[in-house]
Amino acid sequence: EAGVTQFPSHSVIEKGQTVTLRCDPISGHDNLYWYRRVMGKEIKFLLHFVKESKQDESGMPNNRFLAERTGGTYSTLKVQPAELEDSGVYFCASSQGGQGVNTEAFFGQGTRLTVV
Amino acid sequence: RKEVEQDPGPFNVPEGATVAFNCTYSNSASQSFFWYRQDCRKEPKLLMSVYSSGNEDGRFTAQLNRASQYISLLIRDSKLSDSATYLCVVNPQYNFNKFYFGSGTKLNVKP
Repeated sequence: EAGVTQFPSHSVIEKGQTVTLRCDPISGHDNLYWYRRVMGKEIKFLLHFVKESKQDESGMPNNRFLAERTGGTYSTLKVQPAELEDSGVYFCASSQGGQGVNTEAFFGQGTRLTVV
Repeated sequence: RKEVEQDPGPFNVPEGATVAFNCTYSNSASQSFFWYRQDCRKEPKLLMSVYSSGNEDGRFTAQLNRASQYISLLIRDSKLSDSATYLCVVNPQYNFNKFYFGSGTKLNVKP
C-alpha cells in the first residue's frame, strides 16, 4: 500500500513567486494535515481537513497560504507570494476517519521549500 | 512558553548503553502523547504511543507523569540503528491529530 506522497520533494523559488505543494494521502484516509518545520524550529501544525472540509486552520500563518482539498482526496498548499521566511520543510500527514485519540498519523516525506 | 519542550541533545552513547529522554508539556488538559522517530531528511514515524500506565515495546519504555506534565522514553541496549532524532508529540484534543511537536532530541549511538 502506498504511503503519503508529496510533490515536489524540493522546490527553490524566488521571493514573490508562487509555489503549489501537493499531498496525496493514504487511500481512504479522511483526515489530512499540513505541518511545517522552519529552520531551527519545531514542526508546527498548519491545518486539518476532514474529507474536503477545513476542520481547523488555526495554524496557517497568514493569507498568503491557501490550502484546498477538492473532492476529499489529494490536497494542495499554495503560497502566493512566497517570502523568505516561508522556507522550510512542509509535511503532510493523514489518518483514518472517526474519533480516536491514538489514531496513528502517517507522514509524507515532506517538501523542502527554499525561497531565495 | 513552548507547548512541548525537549532537550535537543545530542546524546552520544556507546552501543549497549541505556539512555533516557524526557519531555515536558504545558497544557495540563492534553489528551494523548507519542514518541515519533525521525531519521535525517526523512519523515517522522510513530515509535510508540504513551499510555497513562506506561508501556513497553521491546527495548523501548515510555512513561507519562500527568502530575508533573512530562513524558519519558527509555531505550535499553542501544543499537547503532537507534541513532535518530526522537520527537515528543502531544495532542491536546480528544480526537484528530492536531499535534504539538517538541524540537526533538538527537541520539547518536556509537560503536
